[in-house]
Amino acid sequence: RKEVEQDPGPFNVPEGATVAFNCTYSNSASQSFFWYRQDCRKEPKLLMSVYSSGNEDGRFTAQLNRASQYISLLIRDSKLSDSATYLCVVTPDGGYQKVTFGTGTKLQVIP
Amino acid sequence: DTEVTQTPKHLVMGMTNKKSLKCEQHMGHRAMYWYKQKAKKPPELMFVYSYEKLSINESVPSRFSPECPNSSLLNLHLHALQPEDSALYLCASSPGGGTLNNEQFFGPGTRLTVL
Repeated sequence: RKEVEQDPGPFNVPEGATVAFNCTYSNSASQSFFWYRQDCRKEPKLLMSVYSSGNEDGRFTAQLNRASQYISLLIRDSKLSDSATYLCVVTPDGGYQKVTFGTGTKLQVIP
Repeated sequence: DTEVTQTPKHLVMGMTNKKSLKCEQHMGHRAMYWYKQKAKKPPELMFVYSYEKLSINESVPSRFSPECPNSSLLNLHLHALQPEDSALYLCASSPGGGTLNNEQFFGPGTRLTVL
């Protein structure tokens, strides 16, 4: 089993739709969790950190489920500009710098 | 300044060449990273510097040699590369210092082609 796994997609959704991605991780001692987005041929950009209590930033909501070892990202009212690859990042306990990227989920928002 | 810069943007080199990639940040971050990313794959961690000392080397071949001259600069020296080393090389930095939520900020990358 890979350390961090995501459904590669692509997820093709119409504008205005709500879409959710999950990311599962295998190390139960993992401490920090993030969502990044990466546009084609660009660098990853931090979308949001994922806190134990969950967090929301506008149309984006991130959740952490430690018991089932997954994090989720919910995007409401999808925009064309949300089309990108979404990468989850997990940092293990005791090795906060040794980050592991998930395989990425591609989202295509269709007019 | 919340930017990580990388030079050059593009690099084409032969297998016998020696070249260097450069990365710079002025956010006062104490951890800096090199990643390699192939098309349609996630970034793969290569090296981590923490407080200017190499703290993680992910079994990278010796033809890649990192260097951290000071807390703002990170170099990656390349020598005798193979065509399969062609990829996007990303530099990132994070605050470091042992904080748990250690968000990384990425530079735009150097697209390397080895002929």
